Amino acid sequence: QVQLVESGGGVVQPGRSLRLSCAASGFTFSSYGMHWVRQAPGKGLEWVAVIWYDGSNKYYADSVKGRFTISRDNSKNTLYLQMNSLRAEDTAVYYCALVGATDAFDIWGQGTMVTVSS
Amino acid sequence: EIVMTQSPATLSVSPGERATLSCRASQSVSSNLAWYQQKPGQAPRLLIYGASTRATGIPARFSGSGSGTEFTLTISSLQSEDFAVYYCQQYNNWPPNFGGGTKVEIK
Repeated sequence: QVQLVESGGGVVQPGRSLRLSCAASGFTFSSYGMHWVRQAPGKGLEWVAVIWYDGSNKYYADSVKGRFTISRDNSKNTLYLQMNSLRAEDTAVYYCALVGATDAFDIWGQGTMVTVSS
Repeated sequence: EIVMTQSPATLSVSPGERATLSCRASQSVSSNLAWYQQKPGQAPRLLIYGASTRATGIPARFSGSGSGTEFTLTISSLQSEDFAVYYCQQYNNWPPNFGGGTKVEIK
């Protein structure tokens, strides 16, 4: 079945970097745009970034622009989020999500927790 | 950037009763509106897309309506598994913003 599995979260000091991964299975990964969405503890959902199916276009939320980079390796069916210059306000559960035929976020991973703290 | 506003923030409902959740967009999003359900410790789950189309496997007690700037999610007869937080999200414009959520709790 369609599955997205995030990894790479953890505790990191402010100003440091972290790379998240999202392993996809059960569908043709190279045919779909992929997103990252985050959720701070006890808060709502915030869209973070998107990458086109072929990596040709990438867009970011203003809150992460210039610090985060989304990428993908279609040969490995994996989505990435490189997070640099991390801040306390980046503390959140990070989800990868697939936009399918519905144009909405059809499939979500289970999330990976990122905590930015000294 | 389109701002999505959900009301109420919390809705207290007895099992078996009807729940009506509202979502307002700061400008028209046509019918490009989705609803998600999120339970504690879980990822969100798509319920409704295109403002009124149920996603695969979603029970008929969930229904969506509206277009433009005003949208409604109705749960016709609340079951125990429906107590959760519900988010609306527009995908008509970038960025694809979410509302702040409505928590449906047991009365």
